[in-house]
Amino acid sequence: DQQVKQNSPSLSVQEGRISILNCDYTNSMFDYFLWYKKYPAEGPTFLISISSIKDKNEDGRFTVFLNKSAKHLSLHIVPSQPGDSAVYFCAAKRGGSEKLVFGKGTKLTVNP
Amino acid sequence: DVKVTQSSRYLVKRTGEKVFLECVQDMDHENMFWYRQDPGLGLRLIYFSYDVKMKEKGDIPEGYSVSREKKERFSLILESASTNQTSMYLCASNMGSYGYTFGSGTRLTVV
Repeated sequence: DQQVKQNSPSLSVQEGRISILNCDYTNSMFDYFLWYKKYPAEGPTFLISISSIKDKNEDGRFTVFLNKSAKHLSLHIVPSQPGDSAVYFCAAKRGGSEKLVFGKGTKLTVNP
Repeated sequence: DVKVTQSSRYLVKRTGEKVFLECVQDMDHENMFWYRQDPGLGLRLIYFSYDVKMKEKGDIPEGYSVSREKKERFSLILESASTNQTSMYLCASNMGSYGYTFGSGTRLTVV
């Protein structure tokens, strides 16, 4: 049973426009959510996170929104840059556990 | 700068070989993890360790074992490598914080 779902395997946007990556989860016990970015042949790097007590967290060009009632979160990148082209993984954890559950990833391509 | 170091970036092994993947972290982290990444399947947890000599199975432990004799080192062992274990293997660590630090990964090909 897939607890964290990224239903879009890929997304293509133009440079300067907004990129919106979506993630849904099924486990209501999750209380912390993270986004990781991964380039080919490299390990994932942490991008941004959000606690379940918040509905928005912003860091520069990156904003994560959490809708607990819908069990949905999204990552907004504004403006998108070609260097943002990578695979983005959504991850979640529940209180008391150190295990992260990852989605399958969305490959973002930002075209110049 | 904090680091998680995986000993090999690329490995090619033969079917049936015993394979060791090594991971070392310099952050004094309690928790260490092994994931594999496959196209269309995302990151799947193989094993994790929350202390020296302590380990727990993840979602896909079959065909793997682990060893953690020292806090900084977490080894993944493929007892008898098979072609379906060809994958990117990622080691990570954390210590009660909410995010992981990942290594650069080991691309293993079993022929």
